[in-house]
Amino acid sequence: EVQLVESGGGLVQPGGSLRLSCAASGFTFSSYEMNWVRQAPGKGLEWVSYISSSGSTIYYADSVKGRFTISRDNAKNSLYLQMNSLRAEDTAVYYCASPGVVLRYWGQGTLVTVSS
Amino acid sequence: AIQLTQSPSSLSASVGDRVTITCRASQGISSALAWYQQKPGKAPKLLIYDASSLESGVPSRFSGSGSGTDFTLTISSLQPEDFATYYCQQFNSYPHHTFGQGTKLEIK
Repeated sequence: EVQLVESGGGLVQPGGSLRLSCAASGFTFSSYEMNWVRQAPGKGLEWVSYISSSGSTIYYADSVKGRFTISRDNAKNSLYLQMNSLRAEDTAVYYCASPGVVLRYWGQGTLVTVSS
Repeated sequence: AIQLTQSPSSLSASVGDRVTITCRASQGISSALAWYQQKPGKAPKLLIYDASSLESGVPSRFSGSGSGTDFTLTISSLQPEDFATYYCQQFNSYPHHTFGQGTKLEIK
């Protein structure tokens, strides 16, 4: 059974940093493209970032470009999102999702709250 | 960037009703569209991909149609567990996914 488990969310002050993790199991992680998708409280879904299976190709939404960094460790079956210069508008539940095109598998999400 | 507009934004219906939700793309996306169902506090669940292909395990009362710019999700006979929020998603500009704003389906 495919499982994606996010962790690392929490309360952070504006301008602060946070690193999210997504632990994958039940499939060959190194063969799958991965994404981060977020959802602000009471709002819709917003794609955040994509990484290819090897990690060589990366894309970001304009709203996070230059502040967020996606990465993966295929040996550890893990996906990461380093979030810097956080803003109030980054407050959301962050989901890891795969595969790359049609998002068939989702984690349960981790809540990031940016507030002073 | 491709924009997706769903209509209606909210909808009240009764068990047994036939319901249709529309998703319009700002430019042609062929059949590169998926539909998701999300219940409160849960992750989205894939229902339909490639505009009309039913995901494995999803009840056959769900169906999708359309291509180009206009798409529909139809639930043929609403069941109590179908009350949720539905999102369309385009992947024509993959990997830059875009989601519609969502349609909240409520019990009348």
